[in-house]
Amino acid sequence: QVQLVESGGGLVKPGGSLRLSCAASGFTFSDYYMSWIRQAPGKGLEWVSYISSSSSYTNYADSVKGRFTISRDNAKNSLYLQMNSLRAEDTAVYYCARSVLSARFDPWGQGTLVTVSS
Amino acid sequence: QSALTQPRSVSGSPGQSVTISCTGTSSDVGGYNYVSWYQQHPGKAPKLMIYDVSKRPSGVPDRFSGSKSGNTASLTISGLQAEDEADYYCCSYAGSYTVFGGGTKLTVL
Repeated sequence: QVQLVESGGGLVKPGGSLRLSCAASGFTFSDYYMSWIRQAPGKGLEWVSYISSSSSYTNYADSVKGRFTISRDNAKNSLYLQMNSLRAEDTAVYYCARSVLSARFDPWGQGTLVTVSS
Repeated sequence: QSALTQPRSVSGSPGQSVTISCTGTSSDVGGYNYVSWYQQHPGKAPKLMIYDVSKRPSGVPDRFSGSKSGNTASLTISGLQAEDEADYYCCSYAGSYTVFGGGTKLTVL
């Protein structure tokens, strides 16, 4: 079955960096756009970034532009999110999701918690 | 990249119908037929319930339906069941990015 498993979350100090990973299985990873979506504790969902199937196109929410970089390795069926210059407001559960550019995210991984605190 | 507007909460009794609204602008909801809805139970990942305004993925009960008029999309849940109690989020394509609503907590009385 289609499965997405995130990893790499943890506690990091403000200004620090973290790299999240998402391992995909059960579908042809290289055929799909992929996205990162986050949810701050007790808050709603916020789209973070997407990447096209061949990595040709990427885009970011204004809140992370210039600090986060999305990438993928189709040979490893893996999606990544490099997060630099982290701020307290980046604290959230980060989900990866298989995407169709028409705002369709299905399925989602179980999420990985990133906590930015001194 | 402003969030779409949803009511903070709605409620209904088992068997009744409820409708959750999602208001955006002509740059997102009103500009494209690309609105999706997600159900999220506490501590769980969101689940796709509706996409492309009114299409249901396989496995989603036909009690869930979606529609759109102008800049406002709606999710209607008929024949409410206890397991429908959850948070619901709308989402819209907006050209180069995607925007979510703030979420609506559905309580089944």
